[in-house]
Amino acid sequence: AQRVTQPEKLLSVFKGAPVELKCNYSYSGSPELFWYVQYSRQRLQLLLRHISRESIKGFTADLNKGETSFHLKKPFAQEEDSAMYYCALLNTGGFKTIFGAGTRLFVKA
Amino acid sequence: NAGVTQTPKFRVLKTGQSMTLLCAQDMNHEYMYWYRQDPGMGLRLIHYSVGEGTTAKGEVPDGYNVSRLKKQNFLLGLESAAPSQTSVYFCASSYSAGSNQPQHFGDGTRLSIL
Repeated sequence: AQRVTQPEKLLSVFKGAPVELKCNYSYSGSPELFWYVQYSRQRLQLLLRHISRESIKGFTADLNKGETSFHLKKPFAQEEDSAMYYCALLNTGGFKTIFGAGTRLFVKA
Repeated sequence: NAGVTQTPKFRVLKTGQSMTLLCAQDMNHEYMYWYRQDPGMGLRLIHYSVGEGTTAKGEVPDGYNVSRLKKQNFLLGLESAAPSQTSVYFCASSYSAGSNQPQHFGDGTRLSIL
């Protein structure tokens, strides 16, 4: 079955501390993975995608096929990073995106 | 440029009532999606459309119907609302399928069924 698991509902860190939001997936094919973010009073929006190997707002995510993980990392968290983060998997054919339950990141001053 | 607009933003229904949620996008996107978001469950795909006049079932389609009569609009209907359909509904659109085409989301519709 195709599934995306985000084990942490809430993650609280201090400003300047490293942050890692965990994401594990279950998928039989070759996965395409994303991180979406929803800031307070804003729409859900794409943060980054694994295929681009990009760093957005200091965040990176590496696909680890052996561990079936796509953890989101940032070396130094900022208060403006506080938001809801969703890991998502795009299925073969590209029609359906499967979302995890989300992790709320709270960065304390 | 409004992007994806959902109407209404809030609604309270009684069990058994019907209603239609409207999603409109002004980006000329081919693909449109309806999701529901429930606590602890993320977003689950209800129905989607790959073009005008086409619709397909997603992960949780039961109790919902959709129509895509115009490319820019994607309607989600509840024929007989049930308390289990209390949720936040999100519409999204994308230019096409694939990882290079991210989905653009609306603000959501909070629906309560009493």
